[in-house]
Amino acid sequence: QKEVEQNSGPLSVPEGAIASLNCTYSDRGSQSFFWYRQYSGKSPELIMSIYSNGDKEDGRFTAQLNKASQYVSLLIRDSQPSDSATYLCAVTGANNLFFGTGTRLTVIP
Amino acid sequence: EPEVTQTPSHQVTQMGQEVILRCVPISNHLYFYWYRQILGQKVEFLVSFYNNEISEKSEIFDDQFSVERPDGSNFTLKIRSTKLEDSAMYFCARAPVEGGNYGYTFGSGTRLTVV
Repeated sequence: QKEVEQNSGPLSVPEGAIASLNCTYSDRGSQSFFWYRQYSGKSPELIMSIYSNGDKEDGRFTAQLNKASQYVSLLIRDSQPSDSATYLCAVTGANNLFFGTGTRLTVIP
Repeated sequence: EPEVTQTPSHQVTQMGQEVILRCVPISNHLYFYWYRQILGQKVEFLVSFYNNEISEKSEIFDDQFSVERPDGSNFTLKIRSTKLEDSAMYFCARAPVEGGNYGYTFGSGTRLTVV
């Protein structure tokens, strides 16, 4: 069973701060990595994908991947109250995605 | 709004009853998946479906579960005899290629409550 580990939180940051979310995975063969945002009672929404080592930036979001350390992270700059949600790390397996339990982020106004 | 519509949004059923959850993808994507999420737990893979056949299924997807694409459009998940532990959010997802290397688009979900 492929494992994807996340700190469940809750992680609280003040509005305008940087939120840092981390994820480790067990399968060295994984090729693609994703961050999903999930509001309470809603479906996961894809916000970032990353496929190669290094950083990938999209607006206020930066995904970081280190395959040697089997580590993926998501930075959210200038955090907004609307960013309050659970963030799910997902990693490809043989033919599907494996998800972590998610980190609950609260941005305090 | 998600590009994948699921119905019903909420289903309450008695233990032992059959339920059918429906998914209507609005695209020509060929790869479909069912996932479930028990309250407070992780999103778990159930089954993948391509070209009207099951590609892969998890240990959760036992004989009580089945999937179909009966009319080439709707994609259904059937649970034959529901158990209390089947209570969860069920998500349909679609992908442009097999294996999820470009991520999935999830449907709006069906909350199943077994009483």
